[in-house]
Amino acid sequence: DAGITQSPRYKITETGRQVTLMCHQTWSHSYMFWYRQDLGHGLRLIYYSAAADITDKGEVPDGYVVSRSKTENFPLTLESATRSQTSVYFCASSEPLEPEQFFGPGTRLTVL
Amino acid sequence: AQTVTQSQPEMSVQEAETVTLSCTYDTSESDYYLFWYKQPPSRQMILVIRQEAYKQQNATENRFSVNFQKAAKSFSLKISDSQLGDAAMYFCAYRSKYGNKLVFGAGTILRVKS
Repeated sequence: DAGITQSPRYKITETGRQVTLMCHQTWSHSYMFWYRQDLGHGLRLIYYSAAADITDKGEVPDGYVVSRSKTENFPLTLESATRSQTSVYFCASSEPLEPEQFFGPGTRLTVL
Repeated sequence: AQTVTQSQPEMSVQEAETVTLSCTYDTSESDYYLFWYKQPPSRQMILVIRQEAYKQQNATENRFSVNFQKAAKSFSLKISDSQLGDAAMYFCAYRSKYGNKLVFGAGTILRVKS
């Protein structure tokens, strides 16, 4: 299907485990983003990527790792999950200097 | 750094009535975009309306319109003829014209009463 997809949609894990959230887009957008949504904070940028093999930190990058070997994929890894990383995670994509970002459906992650 | 403030955590409106959601922002830039996103219970982020800072005319999309006051750094969303399907979380967001990152407010939950 065309668009931007995220998997899994729901994930429960335990403290200390590694978790990878997947994001795939079919538009060949250059830019991709990861946000986390928490009550009282709205969405906050974790990492973003301007192109394959180019990534940069956002507002809340600690505890997360990203990679982008292909334009269409932008996985987010929690190397050692903590309870404070319980959140809803959104992936988004856009073209350079185009105003709109397109969002995936989100992944609800619970860390026990 | 830019910041976006939504001072109303929750709002309620009667069906068919009009409601206004508030948003203020802080920036030293002159060229930027402002957005309102709707997030229904499905969690999907839906773009409602967009405003370019260089345009003085307020953006409108059907029942949705904005009141953009650049000098006051205010960007409110007016929903006319409210419908049950308008019930959602609404986020105000800012983007520099020459950047690519969105800065979001904390959100306002809108409840629509029948």
